[in-house]
Amino acid sequence: DAKTTQPPSMDCAEGRAANLPCNHSTISGNEYVYWYRQIHSQGPQYIIHGLKNNETNEMASLIITEDRKSSTLILPHATLRDTAVYYCIVSPQGGSEKLVFGKGTKLTVNP
Amino acid sequence: DAGITQSPRHKVTETGTPVTLRCHQTENHRYMYWYRQDPGHGLRLIHYSYGVKDTDKGEVSDGYSVSRSKTEDFLLTLESATSSQTSVYFCAISEYRDVEQFFGPGTRLTVL
Repeated sequence: DAKTTQPPSMDCAEGRAANLPCNHSTISGNEYVYWYRQIHSQGPQYIIHGLKNNETNEMASLIITEDRKSSTLILPHATLRDTAVYYCIVSPQGGSEKLVFGKGTKLTVNP
Repeated sequence: DAGITQSPRHKVTETGTPVTLRCHQTENHRYMYWYRQDPGHGLRLIHYSYGVKDTDKGEVSDGYSVSRSKTEDFLLTLESATSSQTSVYFCAISEYRDVEQFFGPGTRLTVL
């Protein structure tokens, strides 16, 4: 079972930042937070992951609260191509090959 | 993007026929995976491989077999296709045993 809770849908204006929240209140000390997205009809795409420090890459930023019970994925300048379902999962790094997606958040970026 | 291709991309077949899907990678990653994705069930792991000739079952392996004779190729075979195997099949790769995986474009299989 997924150990995360995400809102089912969100909207964002093109060019604005999209902030996608995720609750993971039962996260263990050795579990990382991973984010994926799936654009319609395409394969899932890995975005970013982190343990407790904030992380940034060319796609997004990941902000994890100090108690690690929640996190936010930030797309700094959303485009129409960012419209997708975004999945937050928790897993020990190297501890599992089993990728379990919950229901995710459907992000719609509007012109 | 990770170098992963899947073939065929679309296939329609009849119940009882054998079907083989191919996943090819150019990243030299050790781990390769086959998933199926269905409405209401999300992504489910069928089989995975942790090296040449080393494979293991996932959560929905019944009716499927796999083979990996080369690092770059991972084959999924449906020995006798059934309508319940109509699905979208995704291949993924990873360098280590991890959920940081990179996915191929998918194969849409329809079994009539």
